[in-house]
Amino acid sequence: GAGVSQTPSNKVTEKGKYVELRCDPISGHTALYWYRQSLGQGPEFLIYFQGTGAADDSGLPNDRFFAVRPEGSVSTLKIQRTERGDSAVYLCASSRGQGEAQYFGPGTRLLVL
Amino acid sequence: GENVEQHPSTLSVQEGDSAVIKCTYSDSASNYFPWYKQELGKGPQLIIDIRSNVGEKKDQRIAVTLNKTAKHFSLHITETQPEDSAVYFCAASGGSSNTGKLIFGQGTTLQVKP
Repeated sequence: GAGVSQTPSNKVTEKGKYVELRCDPISGHTALYWYRQSLGQGPEFLIYFQGTGAADDSGLPNDRFFAVRPEGSVSTLKIQRTERGDSAVYLCASSRGQGEAQYFGPGTRLLVL
Repeated sequence: GENVEQHPSTLSVQEGDSAVIKCTYSDSASNYFPWYKQELGKGPQLIIDIRSNVGEKKDQRIAVTLNKTAKHFSLHITETQPEDSAVYFCAASGGSSNTGKLIFGQGTTLQVKP
């Protein structure tokens, strides 16, 4: 079946611009996670959705980062006033429920110039 | 919060040899430990996982062992093949925060020489 998909695969933007990253989870998966991966590092947790609600946003680095999942399926990660330090691969994962196996998408590679 | 340490950072083996990667975790409440394989330019791929009520799990050439007392778990790959070359990450979850978020190790770059 279809896995987790993410768009765009690559995004280049200028410092100060706004970006949106999209995640389509596996059909039927109620849990959705966003992670950020810097070069040579393991993924770092950003935010977790159970259904439509953000159950844990403790990993968001600051208030420039925001994510939504209005219908409990597709999620969008939004970054305002991008900074060069935001450059990383943004990964999305979904699972059947909290604590279940997580399956990752291919990621969006964000480069802030 | 939870902290996961992974060793070694790089590992080079000859084709056919075994490879072992080790991880330690800090939160004794953690109860789920997956392993991911990540190839260049791709997302992490789940290869095996283990829960705290089990001490060992095997899937063909891959096995994972868990020692809850020592708070460490290991990935064992036997009869390595060149296509096993990738970065491997361990992770832990289910700790005090209990939201299912994964805390990852720093990764191990495995090179299998033909």
